[in-house]
Amino acid sequence: SAVISQKPSRDICQRGTSLTIQCQVDSQVTMMFWYRQQPGQSLTLIATANQGSEATYESGFVIDKFPISRPNLTFSTLTVSNMSPEDSSIYLCSVRLRLASGGTDTQYFGPGTRLTVL
Amino acid sequence: EDQVTQSPEALRLQEGESSSLNCSYTVSGLRGLFWYRQDPGKGPEFLFTLYSAGEEKEKERLKATLTKKESFLHITAPKPEDSATYLCAVSGGSNYKLTFGKGTLLTVNP
Repeated sequence: SAVISQKPSRDICQRGTSLTIQCQVDSQVTMMFWYRQQPGQSLTLIATANQGSEATYESGFVIDKFPISRPNLTFSTLTVSNMSPEDSSIYLCSVRLRLASGGTDTQYFGPGTRLTVL
Repeated sequence: EDQVTQSPEALRLQEGESSSLNCSYTVSGLRGLFWYRQDPGKGPEFLFTLYSAGEEKEKERLKATLTKKESFLHITAPKPEDSATYLCAVSGGSNYKLTFGKGTLLTVNP
């Protein structure tokens, strides 16, 4: 599978500040995704980030709160802006890959960033 | 809207005690049903993709099956290292979005 890294792995932030999470993949991918995993809840898709186009946000998520950059085919960032305690969660990046010729696409996940907002 | 419901929420087994996890789903035009394993503090680890009713896939002590309404993850003679949260997700329609269930927390006691 692809090697996906995220920075930071965890952080504790103050209310009203912003945090940028980085996602790096060891191969070129067209489709990258950002998910949120809140305690006791399902993984929820925040947005899809394709290189060369604006990110597409899911219902309930807006660009002003979660701006995303996708400067190339191996890297993306998610910023959590003007944070409140409700933003405390695990944030995960994911990529869609086809590992073998003739194989099928599968989504692989990074290790996640655990964010705590005080 | 796609929906995924997993049961039970938590399952505790003794080592060697086989069991099954359930994933019920509703989706418009199933593109794939996915099983992931998630250990504490880590991202989900891909296990299987199933595409059509009747399909089965196996990996070590795990076997996933699919019907038109649900999927089962059978665990045969589990070991303590199988302890994890198992997540089910579906992809449907014309996009690649995954809709996840809340997961089943499996604990296997030695």
